[in-house]
Amino acid sequence: SQTIHQWPATLVQPVGSPLSLECTVEGTSNPNLYWYRQAAGRGLQLLFYSVGIGQISSEVPQNLSASRPQDRQFILSSKKLLLSDSGFYLCAWSVLKEINTGELFFGEGSRLTVL
Amino acid sequence: AQRVTQPEKLLSVFKGAPVELKCNYSYSGSPELFWYVQYSRQRLQLLLRHISRESIKGFTADLNKGETSFHLKKPFAQEEDSAMYYCAPDMDTGRRALTFGSGTRLQVQP
Repeated sequence: SQTIHQWPATLVQPVGSPLSLECTVEGTSNPNLYWYRQAAGRGLQLLFYSVGIGQISSEVPQNLSASRPQDRQFILSSKKLLLSDSGFYLCAWSVLKEINTGELFFGEGSRLTVL
Repeated sequence: AQRVTQPEKLLSVFKGAPVELKCNYSYSGSPELFWYVQYSRQRLQLLLRHISRESIKGFTADLNKGETSFHLKKPFAQEEDSAMYYCAPDMDTGRRALTFGSGTRLQVQP
């Protein structure tokens, strides 16, 4: 069966420090991978998605970046965190399809607090 | 641009009362439609999808193409239904990602 792991679960970082959140998927190949941010009252905001190794689509201009160094690994990074980067970050995967996106499977999330 | 609207941030009902969580989308095609749910301390997960036409945990959702709506309904709410609910239309725009609504928090009071 497929599983998705995301870490760290909780992170407290000072403003201006770097960030690295990691996500890995097991039990499937060539998944679509996603980073969403969940903020109170603002729902789920899509940050990045990837349909293959090295292929990253950015949805929102921001202080964050994403990389996919391996087929089932997706990393969310920042060189210098801002206060506004605080939030709950969700990694997700879906089966690669020709049309549409299909069901997303979510990780447990990483709560980032920037002080 | 495609949009998804969940007009209610919070919906509070008493146990046994009917529930309707509203979702409207703007898309000229025929999307597949999903409802996702996040219970306290659990990960976000799929509740139901339109194409399967099934009832999950007593919830159903009907697609109204004329109104471009996909409201989630349950005739008798239970306390364990308290959670955050997100609507997500799967629109074939070439972009392989779901756009979620802003979510509705359902509180079922005893």
